[in-house]
Amino acid sequence: QKEVEQDPGPLSVPEGAIVSLNCTYSNSAFQYFMWYRQYSRKGPELLMYTYSSGNKEDGRFTAQVDKSSKYISLFIRDSQPSDSATYLCAMVNTGNQFYFGTGTSLTVIP
Amino acid sequence: DAGVIQSPRHEVTEMGQEVTLRCKPISGHDYLFWYRQTMMRGLELLIYFNNNVPIDDSGMPEDRFSAKMPNASFSTLKIQPSEPRDSAVYFCASTVGGPRQPQHFGDGTRLSIL
Repeated sequence: QKEVEQDPGPLSVPEGAIVSLNCTYSNSAFQYFMWYRQYSRKGPELLMYTYSSGNKEDGRFTAQVDKSSKYISLFIRDSQPSDSATYLCAMVNTGNQFYFGTGTSLTVIP
Repeated sequence: DAGVIQSPRHEVTEMGQEVTLRCKPISGHDYLFWYRQTMMRGLELLIYFNNNVPIDDSGMPEDRFSAKMPNASFSTLKIQPSEPRDSAVYFCASTVGGPRQPQHFGDGTRLSIL
C-alpha cells in the first residue's frame, strides 16, 4: 500500500464549478500537509500549506485536513480555465519523511 | 529573486551515453532535492542534500545514477550509462529549514534516451 493515495483523474469541469481534490494516507504520523499546482512543462509550485487538522482558506482555495479519517482535500471555488493543471498533495511525518501523491489532472472548460 | 535554475531544459541522447543534469538552488537554501517524474510513477524522490551532504539516497535507482553537491550553489545528477527507461522529467527543488518546509522547484529537464 502506498503511503499517499491520490486519484489521477483526469477531472474535467465547467468554468465556475466547485472542484474537490482529495488524498488519503495510511500513516497517522503525518503532520504537515501541502498542495502543489503544476502547469504543463513547469515545476510544481506551492499552493497551500497546513499543519495538523482543520481548514485553511486562501482566496478561492480551501485546504481541509481530517486526521481522524486520514484524508485531505483541496477545494477550488468559482473555478477558472487558468486553474487547469495537475494538483499534487504532499505530506511530511514527524520523522521528516515526505511523500507526494501522483497528482490529479484538472481541466476547467470555458 | 531568481528561482531554482536547471539546465539543460531538454536533452536527447542515445542509450549508453553519459548524461549530466545541473541545478542551481535558491541562494540561502540549505536543502536540495532531486526528483524524477513519469506518467506511470508520478514524482519520485531520488536523493536530497542538507548543507551539501547527502542525507537520503534511497531513491536512487541503481549505481548508474550519482549525484553531487560540491558547493551550496550547484548540484549535478549524472546517469552513466543511460538507458531508455531513464527517460523522464527530472526536477530539482530547494528549501530552507528542512523537509517540513515547502519546496521550490525548477522547471525540470526533459530527458529522452533513444
